[in-house]
Amino acid sequence: IQMTQSPPYLSASVGDGVTITCRASQSISTYVNWYQQRPGNAPKLLIYTASTLQNGVPSRFSGSGSGTDFTLIISSLQPEDFATYYCQQSFGTPFTFGPGTTVDVK
Amino acid sequence: EMQLLESGGGLVQPGGSLRLSCAASDFTFNSYAMAWVRQAPGKGLQWVSGITNRGVSTGYADSVKGRFTISRDNSNKTLFLQMNSLRAEDTAVYYCARDNPMTGMTPWGQGTRVTVSS
Repeated sequence: IQMTQSPPYLSASVGDGVTITCRASQSISTYVNWYQQRPGNAPKLLIYTASTLQNGVPSRFSGSGSGTDFTLIISSLQPEDFATYYCQQSFGTPFTFGPGTTVDVK
Repeated sequence: EMQLLESGGGLVQPGGSLRLSCAASDFTFNSYAMAWVRQAPGKGLQWVSGITNRGVSTGYADSVKGRFTISRDNSNKTLFLQMNSLRAEDTAVYYCARDNPMTGMTPWGQGTRVTVSS
């Protein structure tokens, strides 16, 4: 299963709303997870099964979608949110990741 | 706090072997599937291999199938990745993570760096 993401890069300012999309090459129900990775750090789980917020993740993050099209939304960007975001499908092995979307400072 | 700590990375020549370890603490290791994910320099994440909680079932990315072997020692709460016939393109930071298809991969270790070069 191939995962694509758009855009690959996104420039934004603190307080902006941000939308990242992820598309699967076949229907995967809601088996999509989203991760945040800051430079030099391990990835961190944000959202699982498309829309469930991981414990401790701020509510400005939200996810939606099913089938082949998924969305990660950050409602109001904070300084610590400048990072790279990956979607991942857990419908079938290999559990492929998308290529990532880097959110940087405008 | 749940923790994973990888070790075993280093510099190895093409064609060589390396065994990575991932020590788990503060969760019931034998209740969870585990996985290895790698990240080549400047690149994205690649799922490498996964193993079910009792080690009965394993899976591999096509790029490592036949060369890498995942295993686990539940009594010592340790995950392994045996890497043989290493290639330059295997150069990456290797992360271990607790895995659940329903709830995602968390936590992650800090990673161990593998460099394949002559």
